[in-house]
Amino acid sequence: DTGVSQDPRHKITKRGQNVTFRCDPISEHNRLYWYRQTLGQGPEFLTYFQNEAQLEKSRLLSDRFSAERPKGSFSTLEIQRTEQGDSAMYLCASSLAGAVEQFFGPGTRLTVL
Amino acid sequence: AQKVTQAQTEISVVEKEDVTLDCVYETRDTTYYLFWYKQPPSGELVFLIRRNSFDEQNEISGRYSWNFQKSTSSFNFTITASQVVDSAVYFCALKISGSARQLTFGSGTQLTVLP
Repeated sequence: DTGVSQDPRHKITKRGQNVTFRCDPISEHNRLYWYRQTLGQGPEFLTYFQNEAQLEKSRLLSDRFSAERPKGSFSTLEIQRTEQGDSAMYLCASSLAGAVEQFFGPGTRLTVL
Repeated sequence: AQKVTQAQTEISVVEKEDVTLDCVYETRDTTYYLFWYKQPPSGELVFLIRRNSFDEQNEISGRYSWNFQKSTSSFNFTITASQVVDSAVYFCALKISGSARQLTFGSGTQLTVLP
């Protein structure tokens, strides 16, 4: 399967713990996006990378959130000191430079107890 | 700022019926793109169709068709002869041209197709 992959698919953690998610984009795609989706809502943009450069960050991305894409391939999203409000589906998408369509991975569902 | 509104939160139809999902968008940009994505229970968003703001020609692709009207800022999506496998949440999304790369999504419409 050559689509976008995300790991883990599900994560349950206790409030105050740190969590890290990984996204592997489609191999030739140099743009990578993170979105957050809460129950009953559409995805909301968090941040965007072109190659290894993080070019845009949403106001939703608080100081407890950090994303990296060190070699322009896979990306990680870390949430420090998790809160119950962080419970959501975290979606990763990728696209080719110049292309409009974004292709999404299966998401990581985070539950903070 | 951009906004996408999907007023229908839930729709139920019986298999083989046609169903139209409504989408209304807001943007001040003159160049933009509109999308429909499908999200089955597995959670993965599946890209269905895209339309450019400068092309209002409506098209049909298999059982899918769409009606894009700039005058009313609407981008409605129709599934003809619905099937049980069409049951999913459908999202309309907007992307403006220029520096902003992200998609702005509506809140989704849950479609249930009953056998």
